[in-house]
Amino acid sequence: KAGVTQTPRYLIKTRGQQVTLSCSPISGHRSVSWYQQTPGQGLQFLFEYFSETQRNKGNFPGRFSGRQFSNSRSEMNVSTLELGDSALYLCASSLVEGSGYTFGSGTRLTVV
Amino acid sequence: ELKVEQNPLFLSMQEGKNYTIYCNYSTTSDRLYWYRQDPGKSLESLFVLLSNGAVKQEGRLMASLDTKARLSTLHITAAVHDLSATYFCAVDWDAGNMLTFGGGTRLMVKP
Repeated sequence: KAGVTQTPRYLIKTRGQQVTLSCSPISGHRSVSWYQQTPGQGLQFLFEYFSETQRNKGNFPGRFSGRQFSNSRSEMNVSTLELGDSALYLCASSLVEGSGYTFGSGTRLTVV
Repeated sequence: ELKVEQNPLFLSMQEGKNYTIYCNYSTTSDRLYWYRQDPGKSLESLFVLLSNGAVKQEGRLMASLDTKARLSTLHITAAVHDLSATYFCAVDWDAGNMLTFGGGTRLMVKP
């Protein structure tokens, strides 16, 4: 079966720009969560969506936002990019709580 | 605030040796996950542990969960070079799907 698909795989943006990342979960999975991975802070939870509703949000500034569509695909947006936003952004989908999470290949964002 | 601590952070071992990675967490949870990450890659799910006393094995890796001690272990038996990677534990807590990750253990297995 198809896994979690993230696009694009790589992005280079300039400070002050905004960026949108996309995540298509495994078919039938309604929960999509996002994580940021950096060498300094490790893996940190950004937010989680279920049935188009944001259920949880991590400790990130309001520049980070997301949404989920009726087909469970999710997007996250980062506005006014800063150098510190350079990271690997990972999306995970889950069928039900406790069933485990499948991660996508990630989007590597570089802000210059 | 949930905290998840792994140790060691770095582990260099010889092929054929055994070792254990420890994962401690700070609040009640009975859902713990282990992942593997190769350089530049995403997270690969290794084990899902959902109850106290759960033990799972796959090849040379075995994971266990003690929810009373808030401790999970990942035991490596007779390590081989292919096991070289970074291993993360993560705890799932509260309503909704949100993982808190440990800092990772970078494992290097030398021939």
